[in-house]
Amino acid sequence: QSALTQPPSASGSPGQPVTIPCTGTSSDFGAYDYVSWYQQHPDNAPKLLIFEVNKRPSGVPDRFSGSKSGNTASLTISGLQTEDEADYYCSSHAGINNFVIFGGGTKLTVL
Amino acid sequence: QVQLVESGGGVVQPGASLRLSCAASGFTLSNFGLHWVRQAPGRGLEWVFGISSDGINIYYAGSVKGRFTISRDKSKNTVFLHMNSLSSEDTAVYYCARENGGASLEYWGRGALVTVSS
Repeated sequence: QSALTQPPSASGSPGQPVTIPCTGTSSDFGAYDYVSWYQQHPDNAPKLLIFEVNKRPSGVPDRFSGSKSGNTASLTISGLQTEDEADYYCSSHAGINNFVIFGGGTKLTVL
Repeated sequence: QVQLVESGGGVVQPGASLRLSCAASGFTLSNFGLHWVRQAPGRGLEWVFGISSDGINIYYAGSVKGRFTISRDKSKNTVFLHMNSLSSEDTAVYYCARENGGASLEYWGRGALVTVSS
């Protein structure tokens, strides 16, 4: 099971935008636009932020957005807030043998 | 509201077996896929196992093939993860999560810690 590639860390100042990339192969993403993003604060369960590349579940602020171009998906947080400091994981669906593939995670620091 | 509660975690010796439970409330498991995701201490997320809403399709990661199985009790609205031949590499917090479609996991439990140690 391959893992999607994320930078281990990212940072930004309050109010500034930050983008976290998630890179895979064409087989990692498959023929689907099933890319999700999760936020995880220490000692908490992950929280779904984005699904199907760019859709937000109810209750997720619109400063979180997702996109995908080729084999790179991205999560953008516009207007960083201190509570955004957390770990972020991307995931994809690559068929029944790799139903969910996660990225290695990116630790976001708000300076 | 939607709630998932894991139980059954604990400390076991290498080679032992353990069964985790995921009790669902606020929805019916027959209408949603349910997955298990684990996180080793200080590490990232690893998808482990999944079962489709109709209970017919089973999905699993290569790392647990032949050792872990999944089952469901519709009357209790509960899913079980049966883990055999456990090793130290299986030490992790195990989360159950409800699929929202498109392999996205919208609702998560708080997790159950499994420690494999002699």
